[in-house]
Amino acid sequence: GAVVSQHPSRVICKSGTSVKIECRSLDFQATTMFWYRQFPKQSLMLMATSNEGSKATYEQGVEKDKFLINHASLTLSTLTVTSAHPEDSSFYICSAKSGKNTGELFFGEGSRLTVL
Amino acid sequence: GDSVTQMEGPVTLSEEAFLTINCTYTATGYPSLFWYVQYPGEGLQLLLKATKADDKGSNKGFEATYRKETTSFHLEKGSVQVSDSAVYFCALRGDSGNTPLVFGKGTRLSVIA
Repeated sequence: GAVVSQHPSRVICKSGTSVKIECRSLDFQATTMFWYRQFPKQSLMLMATSNEGSKATYEQGVEKDKFLINHASLTLSTLTVTSAHPEDSSFYICSAKSGKNTGELFFGEGSRLTVL
Repeated sequence: GDSVTQMEGPVTLSEEAFLTINCTYTATGYPSLFWYVQYPGEGLQLLLKATKADDKGSNKGFEATYRKETTSFHLEKGSVQVSDSAVYFCALRGDSGNTPLVFGKGTRLSVIA
């Protein structure tokens, strides 16, 4: 099946620094990628929809200046958490939609961010 | 908007017990329905799906039937194993081409030997 890879899987950073998370579709072209955030013992909340070559669409309540999303190619989307603070600590998961409208999205392994 | 409600956990079962995790949804049109599983320390994996009413998705002994009349997609397994311990998410995706998944809150299942 289709593979989506995220990197890094775990990252620890100091408060005030920026962290970039990459999401790659390894064997298909993803025109659309979705970024989710998962709080402990809670569901996945959609943060934004990333479309290749255009600006991301952010969900209500998500700060676009804090969570920068770039989808510069059909196989790569990046999420940059700028000036991270402890409350940004979370599990971030990307998913990618292939060109075929099968209704299935493929998920990355997730990236656990810990801000000290 | 679209939403998914699933039974709250945690659920603790003995090995070989019968499992049911309830899931109901609210959506316009004809969404596709999914169950995802998240094993400890890992990302999400698609467990099964159904794309239209009365479809039954099945995988690894798990089953779920898309019931439009009751807007439900309950997950069942006849005999759980310790290796089934994970968090299970019910999700839906709207019937337009570019919509994201909407997830339930997840149900943690622990199976003890």
